Amino acid sequence: DVKVTQSSRYLVKRTGEKVFLECVQDMDHENMFWYRQDPGLGLRLIYFSYDVKMKEKGDIPEGYSVSREKKERFSLILESASTNQTSMYLCASSSPDAEAFFGQGTRLTVV
Amino acid sequence: AQSVTQPDIHITVSEGASLELRCNYSYGATPYLFWYVQSPGQGLQLLLKYFSGDTLVQGIKGFEAEFKRSQSSFNLRKPSVHWSDAAEYFCAVGLKSTLTFGKGTMLLVSP
Repeated sequence: DVKVTQSSRYLVKRTGEKVFLECVQDMDHENMFWYRQDPGLGLRLIYFSYDVKMKEKGDIPEGYSVSREKKERFSLILESASTNQTSMYLCASSSPDAEAFFGQGTRLTVV
Repeated sequence: AQSVTQPDIHITVSEGASLELRCNYSYGATPYLFWYVQSPGQGLQLLLKYFSGDTLVQGIKGFEAEFKRSQSSFNLRKPSVHWSDAAEYFCAVGLKSTLTFGKGTMLLVSP
């Protein structure tokens, strides 16, 4: 069974903290993605990566960075968390035909 | 830029009744098309996909979707809705290994 695993289901962090969200996939996919999901806004792409050490900005990259040191792992970093980054974060990996497989999501609350 | 429109934010259907969720896309060529479902607190699960060929595609859980090029639409249908179908449904368009999502339609099922 294919799997995308996000390290945390729920996180509570303080304003200004550096936050790491980790994602691991076991399908040997080259493409990995981080989305943010907010009510009424759907899924918005933050960053994606199509190869190790490669990254591309999505639609809303401000306030975020990413790291991809190994093919199976894609990390999202909030350098200095702010309350407007409270959201559901979804990691995905995809096959070359763009079929995406999602993790369970991390609900991040910044207080 | 490509875009995906799901015109209905919420839909309520009686259990046993038929369902149609609308999706329109804006793109210069025929993209890859997907429908995903998200249960509360969960990640997204692929229901079905269209790449080419037969314009009526079958998916999991009794869902089907029809691609209509002339209308730039990819509507999701189910002949008889079950209470367990209550969830949020997302239409997505794939291009160069990335997905653009609609804002979602929340399906409520009444007894």
